[in-house]
Amino acid sequence: GDSVTQMEGPVTLSEEAFLTINCTYTATGYPSLFWYVQYPGEGLQLLLKATKADDKGSNKGFEATYRKETTSFHLEKGSVQVSDSAVYFCALTSGDGNEKLTFGTGTRLTIIP
Amino acid sequence: EAGVAQSPRYKIIEKRQSVAFWCNPISGHATLYWYQQILGQGPKLLIQFQNNGVVDDSQLPKDRFSAERLKGVDSTLKIQPAKLEDSAVYLCASSLTGLDDAQYFGPGTRLLVL
Repeated sequence: GDSVTQMEGPVTLSEEAFLTINCTYTATGYPSLFWYVQYPGEGLQLLLKATKADDKGSNKGFEATYRKETTSFHLEKGSVQVSDSAVYFCALTSGDGNEKLTFGTGTRLTIIP
Repeated sequence: EAGVAQSPRYKIIEKRQSVAFWCNPISGHATLYWYQQILGQGPKLLIQFQNNGVVDDSQLPKDRFSAERLKGVDSTLKIQPAKLEDSAVYLCASSLTGLDDAQYFGPGTRLLVL
């Protein structure tokens, strides 16, 4: 079945550092790819998505590019802020019409001032 | 626009007891999902409804879990009897049509089974 493998945490960075959280996937079809974020005490929120190869999703300074050749969807941000501290989940939908999400295990990110 | 509402937010029960969770999706959203998130893991889909019909319940432990979505709006997820391994956060999400739409998540219900 479909699966998502993401970088294990926790990750701790200083403010203004460059962020990369790795995500790779296995899928039998042509999936859509997502990054969700869970801020402390809040529900999961969609951060960005990409639905086809070479698409770049972006939001709030975060970016991720759908790389079919490497089956990857790495999350990047050029300069992180304390407010970016959260748990980040990479996820996919199979693209076969059943739009259930398959999630990775999550990466906890802490930004220190 | 109101988000996805869930209640209760927290629940502590003893094993073999029953428990029920309630979800009210965003108004007009046809698709509703229940996920189970065990500590340290990503959410796992339990059941997906399209209006009041079940689309996917392949990962729902049907010997103890049940869910319904009467009238295609609110939904209830029940566990009877609960086991220790059911301790988790139960997330409800909804989407407009279920076809490549973003899913909007509620705050979750944190269940502890003792």
